Parts: sequence; structure tokens; C-alpha cells
Amino acid sequence: EDQVTQSPEALRLQEGESSSLNCSYTVSGLRGLFWYRQDPGKGPEFLFTLYSAGEEKEKERLKATLTKKESFLHITAPKPEDSATYLCAVQAGSHYKLSFGAGTTVTVRA
Amino acid sequence: DAGVIQSPRHEVTEMGQEVTLRCKPISGHNSLFWYRQTMMRGLELLIYFNNNVPIDDSGMPEDRFSAKMPNASFSTLKIQPSEPRDSAVYFCASSYDTNSEAFFGQGTRLTVV
Repeated sequence: EDQVTQSPEALRLQEGESSSLNCSYTVSGLRGLFWYRQDPGKGPEFLFTLYSAGEEKEKERLKATLTKKESFLHITAPKPEDSATYLCAVQAGSHYKLSFGAGTTVTVRA
Repeated sequence: DAGVIQSPRHEVTEMGQEVTLRCKPISGHNSLFWYRQTMMRGLELLIYFNNNVPIDDSGMPEDRFSAKMPNASFSTLKIQPSEPRDSAVYFCASSYDTNSEAFFGQGTRLTVV
């Protein structure tokens, strides 16, 4: 069964303090790794898809990277509006479904 | 496009009652997913449709749960009878195909008392 583990569970940052979130996975035949952002009371919002080791994608202050065992979401110079829960999900083998991690809740203080 | 639309946003019902959750996927998307989110178990896939056909319902917890997709623009998730342990946020998501990213609706927060 696909395993997705995110760390840390929670992260408190000062505005401008860069940091990284980790998503480690154990799957057979990764087809894609997805990052989502979820705000309280809302549905997950798609951020990135990574398909192969070495791939990187950026969007504003966020940068996602992928290795054969894990993915990192780097937040550079975060702002309070970056506060959210960040979810990682994998799609593997012949399966269509996304298997989600438990998420990392990021709080950025002004 | 308005995105994935779910209704109602909130539902409070008594144990034993029937509950129907509704979803309108993004136009042109061929895949539709129903997820449930709880603090204890996170996001779990309940059922998946492709081209309006249920492909895998192995995530549906019990026979009390059923889902339909009568056409490309509408799906329902029904719980009958509802129980307090069904309390959760239910999300509908759609994607262009099985390899594409899924876009989620705002969810329905269900409370069964």
C-alpha cells in the first residue's frame, strides 16, 4: 500500500523566515507527486505536479523538488498569507487515486 | 469556470436520516472523485467515476453509502441511514483525465447528531 508521510506536522515561521516541508513516500511505480494547499473551511487547492526525480517547479514563494524517495516544498521569505495546511499526495502504479499525507500546517507571523 | 460546485455547504441531520450530497464537476472533466476528510484519517478516497461510470468504490465504508453520476455534470453521494461516525467534511473533485491534477470543491461539512 502507498505510504505518504509529511513532516513536520506543524511549522511556525516569522515573516521572511524561509523553511522547507518534507514529504516522504513509499510507492511502487510513482506516476506523479502532487502538492496542494488547504485553507481552513476550504477544499484543497492544487499547486504543483512533479513526475520524475530531479524535477523542480516554482510558483511565487514556493518551490517544489522531487527525489526518488521524497519531495520538498520550499517556502522562501514567507508572508502571513502563506499560512495554510500543505498536503502532499502520490499517484502510483496502475492506480488513479491520490493517496494523501496528513499535511503540514504552516503559520507565518507578521 | 466556477470550479467544482458542491451543495449544501453544511448539513446537520439526526442519526438514521438520509443525507444526499451533490456535486457539479468542472465542465469537460472526465473523472470525478468523492473524498472524505476527518482529523483522524485525513483525506480518503471513497469512490471514483470515469466518463460517468463508477470505476472503484472500494473506499466506500459500508452499504449505507452509495454514489451516482447520471450525467457528466452531476453526481450525488447518499448516506442512508446516517450515523454519528459519518460526521466529516466530504469533498468532490474532478480532473480532465486520470493522469491530471484534481480540482476540489469547497466541501460539505456533515454533522450527524
